[in-house]
Amino acid sequence: ETGVTQSPTHLIKTRGQQVTLRCSSQSGHNTVSWYQQALGQGPQFIFQYYREEENGRGNFPPRFSGLQFPNYSSELNVNALELDDSALYLCASSNSGNQETQYFGPGTRLLVL
Amino acid sequence: QKEVEQNSGPLSVPEGAIASLNCTYSDRGSQSFFWYRQYSGKSPELIMFIYSNGDKEDGRFTAQLNKASQYVSLLIRDSQPSDSATYLCAADTGRRALTFGSGTRLQVQP
Repeated sequence: ETGVTQSPTHLIKTRGQQVTLRCSSQSGHNTVSWYQQALGQGPQFIFQYYREEENGRGNFPPRFSGLQFPNYSSELNVNALELDDSALYLCASSNSGNQETQYFGPGTRLLVL
Repeated sequence: QKEVEQNSGPLSVPEGAIASLNCTYSDRGSQSFFWYRQYSGKSPELIMFIYSNGDKEDGRFTAQLNKASQYVSLLIRDSQPSDSATYLCAADTGRRALTFGSGTRLQVQP
């Protein structure tokens, strides 16, 4: 078990709604990255937060947004949900973006109907 | 062309055999490579990483990197049924994130 936690574990929403997913990073880690994993695919990078600032972004539209708080926990917000947003959302924390120290949380499974 | 490619499998090996998982990447700027294991319904867990050409061993696992051929592999010796999972190869391309392949499903037959 890593020290990264995510909530909720599962979520069902309808198309057009908004959702907020939460992540608490491992103690000592100041960087949080969010990934989307569709069924049968590898995780795809959404964005990264370092010291409360967005520090890199993948190929996702602006309706995917995030926050990082002073305690390094983070939120992922998705507006105007689409059916294709159904996926496992993974949060990973690391020390200053060092991939060797990156640990994934258990994920939030989102289903959009 | 995907940046990191893996055969989706399933790769089926008998218990006790060596499982060989392969991965190719397209970005020559990639500096480091990671292997993750993902059990069904769970999140990925890091097995090992490799930066330099050659082999790196950790217990039953050996990662191999050939930058000239843009090829990474993972060998699992003495495969156990508990090794049955999807193995994800990932490259750090310097864009503050890992680029993952789609994973290879490994089945170890008792």
